[in-house]
Amino acid sequence: EVQLVESGGGLVQPGGSLRLSCAASGFTFSDHYMDWVRQAPGKGLEWVGRIRNKANSYTTEYAASVKGRFSISRDDSKNSLYLQMNSLKTEDTAVYYCTRAILVAGRTHFDYWGQGTLVTVSS
Amino acid sequence: DIQLTQSPSFLSASVGDRVTITCRASQGISSDLAWYQQKPGKAPKVLIYAASTLQSGVPSRFSGSGSGTEFTLTISSLQPEDFATYYCQQRNSYPITFGQGTRLEIK
Repeated sequence: EVQLVESGGGLVQPGGSLRLSCAASGFTFSDHYMDWVRQAPGKGLEWVGRIRNKANSYTTEYAASVKGRFSISRDDSKNSLYLQMNSLKTEDTAVYYCTRAILVAGRTHFDYWGQGTLVTVSS
Repeated sequence: DIQLTQSPSFLSASVGDRVTITCRASQGISSDLAWYQQKPGKAPKVLIYAASTLQSGVPSRFSGSGSGTEFTLTISSLQPEDFATYYCQQRNSYPITFGQGTRLEIK
């Protein structure tokens, strides 16, 4: 059974940093692209960024709203995905979901999601 | 960036109804569209990908169609468990974007 379990959320002051983790199990983690998607309270879904697999040199993509502040990494030996968030703003307050991206005909969609972890940026 | 606009934003319907949600892209995205269902307090769940391919395990009352800039998600006969919020998502180019959501409520 595929499982994605996020951790590391919490309350942080504006300008602060936080590192989210996602523990994956039930599939060959190293084969897959992995993404972070967030959802502000009462709002819609916003894609945060992606890290590709080793075969694609672990390259990354980011939304403009987080580029230069957030960094995605992975440790395939630990089946883990990370989101390092720096210079946090109040508008980064959201539930952050770890997602598995499945590649079909050269395009991806998100077939598994974690339960999410809440990040609150407030003074 | 490719903008996705869903209509309607809110839909009230009854069990057994046939409902259709539309997603319009600001530029052509071929068939690179997925649909998700989200229930309160839960993570989204993929229903349809590549515009019309049903994800494994999803009931056949859900169907998707369209290509280019206009797409639809149809639920042929609403069941009580279908009342949720639905999102489209384009996977044609970066940044990946979602529609604003359609909230489907019981009439």
